[in-house]
Amino acid sequence: DAKTTQPNSMESNEEEPVHLPCNHSTISGTDYIHWYRQLPSQGPEYVIHGLTSNVNNRMASLAIAEDRKSSTLILHRATLRDAAVYYCILRDGDGGSNYKLTFGKGTLLTVNP
Amino acid sequence: GAVVSQHPSWVICKSGTSVKIECRSLDFQATTMFWYRQFPKQSLMLMATSNEGSKATYEQGVEKDKFLINHASLTLSTLTVTSAHPEDSSFYICSARVGGTPAFFGQGTRLTVV
Repeated sequence: DAKTTQPNSMESNEEEPVHLPCNHSTISGTDYIHWYRQLPSQGPEYVIHGLTSNVNNRMASLAIAEDRKSSTLILHRATLRDAAVYYCILRDGDGGSNYKLTFGKGTLLTVNP
Repeated sequence: GAVVSQHPSWVICKSGTSVKIECRSLDFQATTMFWYRQFPKQSLMLMATSNEGSKATYEQGVEKDKFLINHASLTLSTLTVTSAHPEDSSFYICSARVGGTPAFFGQGTRLTVV
């Protein structure tokens, strides 16, 4: 399985941007990069995913390095509700419909008021 | 995003009894569903993958006779913990997806075995 490396924890202030890094140096050409987040006592919530190009949605932006060996999840203005564990996961499988998600330890994001 | 619902949200059962947890995809038909387990302060651990109408594929180390998974329809999968013991107490989470699209997760079920 292709692995990811994330910092154990990060801290941010409310209303400031947050850049959450993820290293995936063994990524293969067909691996998608997925980001999920998990609030305490809840199931993970889908945030964003991408393959090669940068992606934006209403929750966040995903910046993918040109060599695809790293990516950064960007929260443009952190709120207290963004405090969660953020998981960067590579889609495991044949790159098509037959994949499963293997979770690492993720990054615990603390947002200070 | 798509909605996946689990029931119950929490359950307490006596040691030796069986418990069934339901996972439903409310607004889409899930070709594949997954079951995870999460112990306190740990990450999610994948237990099994199930496709509608097929037998579940269990991850290494997960006892298939203890954790029975049924995926009878495109919108419902069930996990039955048989002969539960205190060490089975955990947070069980399901997820569902269609084809190669992102997976969506249920809110989780807290199981406590006393």
